[in-house]
Amino acid sequence: QKEVEQNSGPLSVPEGAIASLNCTYSDRVSQSFFWYRQYSGKSPELIMSIYSNGDKEDGRFTAQLNKASQYVSLLIRDSQPSDSATYLCAPSNTGFQKLVFGTGTRLLVSP
Amino acid sequence: ETGVTQSPTHLIKTRGQQVTLRCSSQSGHNTVSWYQQALGQGPQFIFQYYREEENGRGNFPPRFSGLQFPNYSSELNVNALELDDSALYLCASSPRTSGFTDTQYFGPGTRLTVL
Repeated sequence: QKEVEQNSGPLSVPEGAIASLNCTYSDRVSQSFFWYRQYSGKSPELIMSIYSNGDKEDGRFTAQLNKASQYVSLLIRDSQPSDSATYLCAPSNTGFQKLVFGTGTRLLVSP
Repeated sequence: ETGVTQSPTHLIKTRGQQVTLRCSSQSGHNTVSWYQQALGQGPQFIFQYYREEENGRGNFPPRFSGLQFPNYSSELNVNALELDDSALYLCASSPRTSGFTDTQYFGPGTRLTVL
């Protein structure tokens, strides 16, 4: 079982729609969760962090965390073509401060 | 812009050679982590430095080594380069605090090609 699993996609959504990106993780002691966006040929850019069960909203982005199900998701409302990128989920164990990345989900937003 | 810089941007080496990659952390950050990202994969943790000491290492052989300097900048050294070392090498800095894992901010990366 992979430490972090994401659907590689591509996930295709029309402009203005809601994009839903999902991630499951295997390390039950993970306490911090990060979503990064990575454009082709560029480095990862932080979108959101979440530490507690429930929802966290920041502008058009909402992160959802369910530690019991070992599941974290990212919703992007009113998707724009500029949101087209690969989205990386990264849980982290506080005791060992490394990020463990999935392979990412490629999102395509069509005009 | 995260304030994390890396050099060089691109590098081409041949098998067996050695390479040094450099990273300057964001102002106020005392922790630097290095990641390797192969094409089509997520970044893989190499190691982390905190106050000039290695603070954790991923599943990479000893020919991957590093340093952190008093100003918190860092180097990644790779000896005896192999073709599979071709990847994007990412440096991330963070402001080590207590509690949850600190947010890591990535530099632009160094693209290494081994021929």
